[in-house]
Amino acid sequence: DAMVIQNPRYQVTQFGKPVTLSCSQTLNHNVMYWYQQKSSQAPKLLFHYYDKDFNNEADTPDNFQSRRPNTSFCFLDIRSPGLGDAAMYLCATRLAVRTDTQYFGPGTRLTVL
Amino acid sequence: ELKVEQNPLFLSMQEGKNYTIYCNYSTTSDRLYWYRQDPGKSLESLFVLLSNGAVKQEGRLMASLDTKARLSTLHITAAVHDLSATYFCAVDPYGGSQGNLIFGKGTKLSVKP
Repeated sequence: DAMVIQNPRYQVTQFGKPVTLSCSQTLNHNVMYWYQQKSSQAPKLLFHYYDKDFNNEADTPDNFQSRRPNTSFCFLDIRSPGLGDAAMYLCATRLAVRTDTQYFGPGTRLTVL
Repeated sequence: ELKVEQNPLFLSMQEGKNYTIYCNYSTTSDRLYWYRQDPGKSLESLFVLLSNGAVKQEGRLMASLDTKARLSTLHITAAVHDLSATYFCAVDPYGGSQGNLIFGKGTKLSVKP
């Protein structure tokens, strides 16, 4: 059974048209992360939630926002996508204990036309 | 600047051969993670190494951690085609329970018959 689910798997948007990506989890993990991964690059952390506490990475553009209405769901909003925002967006979750790893969803591939 | 460096970045192996991937990091961290990513797919957790001298093995893969040298290795024994993928190491430089990860650039492994 899928534990971290991302929707949609593929998203095509136009330059400047807002887009929202969704992540849900059945693990009841208290930490959720959003990463951006461009082709042949490492995943780059955008932000994360520890329960309801939002933590933004210093170099995450203002164009990217996130919401976590409850434990299970987290959204990534891109307010005005540019061509440089085309990437795979990965959601991950983790139980906040020392021994745990991050569990990644399948990703959403975003294309900006 | 925090750095996680993997080498090699590209590795072409023949089936049956052994090889080691190296992960060096520039900050103090007692937690190191290895992930596998197949083309177009998400990241799959392979190993979580939590202390100096930790060694873990799964099938043909063995990972180790030397926190004093700030070095982790991923050793591949008798490679098979199914191991072809990109392998990422990641460190948690902040400790604590939030588990933010800094990833290396990845090693793209190709195993040929």
